[in-house]
Amino acid sequence: DGGITQSPKYLFRKEGQNVTLSCEQNLNHDAMYWYRQDPGQGLRLIYYSQIVNDFQKGDIAEGYSVSREKKESFPLTVTSAQKNPTAFYLCASSILPLGLYSNQPQHFGDGTRLSIL
Amino acid sequence: AQTVTQSQPEMSVQEAETVTLSCTYDTSESDYYLFWYKQPPSRQMILVIRQEAYKQQNATENRFSVNFQKAAKSFSLKISDSQLGDAAMYFCAYRSHNYGGSQGNLIFGKGTKLSVKP
Repeated sequence: DGGITQSPKYLFRKEGQNVTLSCEQNLNHDAMYWYRQDPGQGLRLIYYSQIVNDFQKGDIAEGYSVSREKKESFPLTVTSAQKNPTAFYLCASSILPLGLYSNQPQHFGDGTRLSIL
Repeated sequence: AQTVTQSQPEMSVQEAETVTLSCTYDTSESDYYLFWYKQPPSRQMILVIRQEAYKQQNATENRFSVNFQKAAKSFSLKISDSQLGDAAMYFCAYRSHNYGGSQGNLIFGKGTKLSVKP
C-alpha cells in the first residue's frame, strides 16, 4: 500500500545533540512538508519542498534543517540550536496542487514524538 | 496573510446526536480550498472533507457535511449521528489557489477537541 512512513515513532535528544527524523513516501508525490505540533497550537510549517534538491523555509524554520536528495525522502534534522525541540512532528506529502489537482489534499505520516533527555 | 480560527477548543456530543464545529478564516483571495482533518488519539491526520471556494454547493461525505459561507468566511463542519469513533481533534485548514512558490501549503487552525459521550 502507498503511504508515508515516519521513523522513529519516539526519539530522545540529549543536550547539544542533533537528531534526524526520517520521512519516506511511495506515493510519487512531488511536494513534501514538515510540521511541528504543540498542544493548543495546531500544526505549524517548518520546511517544505516541491522538487528534488530544492526546499523552502516555513513559518518556524529556525533550529531545523532539511534535505531533499530523492523524491521519496525528506529528512528533518533538529539541531542543537533548537532550544525547545519537544513536540510531535508530522511529515506530509501531496501532488503539486496545480490545474486538475488543485483540490488535492496533503497526506500525513503517523508522526514522531521528540523529547529531551 | 491568511489566518484560520477555530473558536471552540473543546466540544462534546452525545452518541447519535449532531454536532457542529466552527471555523472562520481571513483572506483577501477569491479562490482557495478548505479542508477538515481529523486527528484521533493515534495522532494520524485523516482528511475528512474538502471544499473548493468556487463551488457554491456544500461538500458532503457520508455523515460529515460542511456549511460553507463564503461571504462570511465561515466553514463549519457538521457531524450527524455521532459515533464513539468520531472522538478526536478536528483541524480546519486553508490553502490558497495562487501559483506562487508556496502553493500547496496549508494554514491550520488550532483545533477543536471533540468528545463523544455514550
